[in-house]
Amino acid sequence: DGGITQSPKYLFRKEGQNVTLSCEQNLNHDAMYWYRQDPGQGLRLIYYSQIVNDFQKGDIAEGYSVSREKKESFPLTVTSAQKNPTAFYLCASSISRQGGTEAFFGQGTRLTVV
Amino acid sequence: KQEVTQIPAALSVPEGENLVLNCSFTDSAIYNLQWFRQDPGKGLTSLLLIQSSQREQTSGRLNASLDKSSGRSTLYIAASQPGDSATYLCAVADSWGKLQFGAGTQVVVTP
Repeated sequence: DGGITQSPKYLFRKEGQNVTLSCEQNLNHDAMYWYRQDPGQGLRLIYYSQIVNDFQKGDIAEGYSVSREKKESFPLTVTSAQKNPTAFYLCASSISRQGGTEAFFGQGTRLTVV
Repeated sequence: KQEVTQIPAALSVPEGENLVLNCSFTDSAIYNLQWFRQDPGKGLTSLLLIQSSQREQTSGRLNASLDKSSGRSTLYIAASQPGDSATYLCAVADSWGKLQFGAGTQVVVTP
């Protein structure tokens, strides 16, 4: 089955630690995205990538980093500079069709600071 | 900056009633609009994609309309069922595929 796989499902981070969230897709989509979801709020864009070896900051990139070495993979690192990392993180990919771009999402990673 | 608003924030209806969920956006220069469903603790499931040139899109019991000039979209769910209980999210896309989301409408359908 084609889709987007995020791992792990739950992640716990200690103060001052960097952690990396995995996102893999087998949909052959060029574009990939990372969003953050906080309770009662809409999703906010962290980073996005249109092609391999290129990525752009979204609205809330501070304290995060990404890489895009392969088309299928777009890992997100939450660094110690991110002061409030506890949130639900969602990875997406998209395909452009005539007149529209449809996005598909993974099942998310819940990150908690302990 | 694009802002997306969803009203109401929460909705409870008895089984069988039709659901009407509203979404408004401030900048009409959108590429397309997408409706999603989210179950608790889960990712987003795409329900409908409306291209900017379209007025509506239908899939089964779901129908979504788009009025770009007034910055509005409405999602209709006919004959609601308890399995429709979830949070429904509206998002508008720019030409890069970046999505701007509303905060969602939490729906409860009671048997």
